[in-house]
Amino acid sequence: EVQLVESGGGLVQPGGSLRLSCAASGFTFSNYWMHWVRQAPGKGLEWVSRINSDGSYTSYAESVKGRFTISRDNAKNTLFLQMNSLSDEDTAVYFCARDPSSSDCLDVWGKGTTVTVSS
Amino acid sequence: AIQLTQSPSSLSASVGDRVTITCRASQGIRRGLAWHQQKPGKGPKLLIYDASILESEVPSRFSGSGSGTDFTLTISSLQPEDFATYYCQQFHSSPITFGQGTRLEIK
Repeated sequence: EVQLVESGGGLVQPGGSLRLSCAASGFTFSNYWMHWVRQAPGKGLEWVSRINSDGSYTSYAESVKGRFTISRDNAKNTLFLQMNSLSDEDTAVYFCARDPSSSDCLDVWGKGTTVTVSS
Repeated sequence: AIQLTQSPSSLSASVGDRVTITCRASQGIRRGLAWHQQKPGKGPKLLIYDASILESEVPSRFSGSGSGTDFTLTISSLQPEDFATYYCQQFHSSPITFGQGTRLEIK
């Protein structure tokens, strides 16, 4: 079964840092581009970042550029999102998603991990 | 960034009804559009991609159409498990963007 499981969310103070993980199983992780998408409480979906299959290319939404870093460990089938300088606007559920054809069409999503930025 | 506007924002319907949700793009995106379904507390689920291609194992009561700037998602006969929020997503150009969502509720 194809599966993505996010972890690492929690409560963090403004200005703090957090590292999210996304464990992939049921498919050849190293063949796929991967994305992070977030959803603020009661709001819609916002794309955050993407990374190509070997990790040599990344891109970010303007709202997180310079603060967030996406990376991956293909040997461990895991995607990461390092989040620094967090503000309350980053409070959201963070989803990882698979991109089956490096086209930005997302075909498999995880259940998400919740990040709350509050003092 | 390309803006996607969905209508309606919410919709009440009954089991067995036919419903249509529309998504309008701020500029042409050819057929670079997907529809996702999200239930409370869960991650989204891909239903349709390339505007009209049904994802594997998605029931045939779901269908999509459109190209350019105007797209529709149709559910031919609502089932109890279809009550959820639906999002369109464009992947024609970066960055990916989503519509604001359409919440489908039981009447």
